[in-house]
Amino acid sequence: QKEVEQDPGPLSVPEGAIVSLNCTYSNSAFQYFMWYRQYSRKGPELLMYTYSSGNKEDGRFTAQVDKSSKYISLFIRDSQPSDSATYLCAMKSGGNKLVFGAGTILRVKS
Amino acid sequence: NAGVTQTPKFQVLKTGQSMTLQCAQDMNHNSMYWYRQDPGMGLRLIYYSASEGTTDKGEVPNGYNVSRLNKREFSLRLESAAPSQTSVYFCASPPGQGSNSYEQYFGPGTRLTVT
Repeated sequence: QKEVEQDPGPLSVPEGAIVSLNCTYSNSAFQYFMWYRQYSRKGPELLMYTYSSGNKEDGRFTAQVDKSSKYISLFIRDSQPSDSATYLCAMKSGGNKLVFGAGTILRVKS
Repeated sequence: NAGVTQTPKFQVLKTGQSMTLQCAQDMNHNSMYWYRQDPGMGLRLIYYSASEGTTDKGEVPNGYNVSRLNKREFSLRLESAAPSQTSVYFCASPPGQGSNSYEQYFGPGTRLTVT
């Protein structure tokens, strides 16, 4: 079993929809939870970062962490075609190594 | 300020050939990382370097060697390429270490095909 599980999709939604992306994990030592966005043929870029449990909002994006269920989510409101990308969850404990999920391909149709 | 740069962008090798992937960063960061990205597998850490002169193995180090040439440059070498090493390789560098290594700046990637 992988340390981090993420449904690869693809997930296809109409413009304006609310998108929910999720990851589950097995390592209870993870404390730092990230979402990276990767456009086609580009390197990933950090989108959201959360420490420990709770919610964090940044514009149309909300990240949620539920450590008791070992479950993290990224919500995108009012999705736009420019949000079409691969979204990778990533996690780490206090050390230097990040563990990434497989990535979910999102397509927002105009 | 170019951030993280990688060369080459594309490469095709025959089985058994060797090559070196180059990575450089101009952000004055101490740490640098090499990942590979395969469909359905996400990003997997090959090696990382916490500072000039130090390197550590990641999840998938077999078949690779690294050199931290100086603070700016971190190279990845395939001594005898195998088809299983066909992948997209990314170099990354965070501004901090430990708890501050969560934000990694990635290069544009090298697409390697081994036939």
